[in-house]
Amino acid sequence: DAGVIQSPRHEVTEMGQEVTLRCKPISGHDYLFWYRQTMMRGLELLIYFNNNVPIDDSGMPEDRFSAKMPNASFSTLKIQPSEPRDSAVYFCASSLIGGFLTNTEAFFGQGTRLTVV
Amino acid sequence: DQQVKQNSPSLSVQEGRISILNCDYTNSMFDYFLWYKKYPAEGPTFLISISSIKDKNEDGRFTVFLNKSAKHLSLHIVPSQPGDSAVYFCAVKSNTGKLIFGQGTTLQVKP
Repeated sequence: DAGVIQSPRHEVTEMGQEVTLRCKPISGHDYLFWYRQTMMRGLELLIYFNNNVPIDDSGMPEDRFSAKMPNASFSTLKIQPSEPRDSAVYFCASSLIGGFLTNTEAFFGQGTRLTVV
Repeated sequence: DQQVKQNSPSLSVQEGRISILNCDYTNSMFDYFLWYKKYPAEGPTFLISISSIKDKNEDGRFTVFLNKSAKHLSLHIVPSQPGDSAVYFCAVKSNTGKLIFGQGTTLQVKP
């Protein structure tokens, strides 16, 4: 398997524009996570899905952010409208379901570096 | 509100010495604890983990210690090598599968 694939790797956009980040999880994984890396908060969990269903979106900073997972092999994170403070590296990760006390390590993509000018 | 805290943003150690990275968490319901390593321009990669029923797990030069009463997790690297220089994130997993990370600690190992 090629691992978690994110696109684009870099995105530069103007303030107010819509931005869509894409993620293809590892085949067979049933959890998908979206994170944002910032200096202050480290890897901040935005939202996660289980079997394509959003489980917890409490980390989504504002209504400008939305995420979808239409099928098991694809997810998007959309920011509309984008603002300069959204500039960060966004990571997608996937993992297998695990039982209690079971390690289900998440595998990360290489991230999308978003710059909003 | 940060549920996972790494209070040291950076750590510098000499090659061959021990590196100790610390992490505190707030919720006693977490059942699994992990450490990830991240190099620049790459995604984080899994390093080592421990379940809540253990207090120590060792893998080569890396050992993770868990103190449940103190809600404290630490990673020991012995001996440290220059290639260990990276950002280290601790993470906690809940029984719903939620995976939460700390702010990260940048480790620099000097030759």
